[in-house]
Amino acid sequence: AQSVTQLGSHVSVSEGALVLLRCNYSSSVPPYLFWYVQYPNQGLQLLLKYTSAATLVKGINGFEAEFKKSETSFHLTKPSAHMSDAAEYFCAVSDRVAGTASKLTFGTGTRLQVTL
Amino acid sequence: NAGVMQNPRHLVRRRGQEARLRCSPMKGHSHVYWYRQLPEEGLKFMVYLQKENIIDESGMPKERFSAEFPKEGPSILRIQQVVRGDSAAYFCASSSSGSGGYEQYFGPGTRLTVT
Repeated sequence: AQSVTQLGSHVSVSEGALVLLRCNYSSSVPPYLFWYVQYPNQGLQLLLKYTSAATLVKGINGFEAEFKKSETSFHLTKPSAHMSDAAEYFCAVSDRVAGTASKLTFGTGTRLQVTL
Repeated sequence: NAGVMQNPRHLVRRRGQEARLRCSPMKGHSHVYWYRQLPEEGLKFMVYLQKENIIDESGMPKERFSAEFPKEGPSILRIQQVVRGDSAAYFCASSSSGSGGYEQYFGPGTRLTVT
């Protein structure tokens, strides 16, 4: 069974500082990987996804993530945090096996706080 | 182009009542997923449906919960005889394909409170 671990339920950074949110997955076959952002009382919005192309994936709002098979990781980064980045971030995986349902398995989330 | 729509946004039910949550997928999407988010937790998969078919219900509780996606109209998640532990945010997502790797677009959620 697939699983996702997000290290750090809360991360606080200063505005302008580097953002690093960690995600590790467990799967017998490298899965599809996603990062979603959730603002208070809203649904989830896709930031970026890794399917099978370049291992460095660029997403919206200046975020990017790098797939590292050897480390089973897909950490999310942004060079310079902005106040508007304060939100909850979820890493998720879905199965790569053809013909199976593409349900998402989510991590427990990381709440990002951005301070002045 | 309307996104995924869910209603109601907030629902309050007393213990023992029924809750009906509705989801209209994005135009052109025929794959619908329901997820539940308990307080301070991530989202948990409940069920995956296509029109008139339940494809995967491995995340659905065995009792009191059911889902449907009829040929016409929205998908409905139904919870009978609600209990306090059912209080959560329920999110619907839709996709253009059931294959892995395709983006799921999420609705704003229905926040169910059981008193």
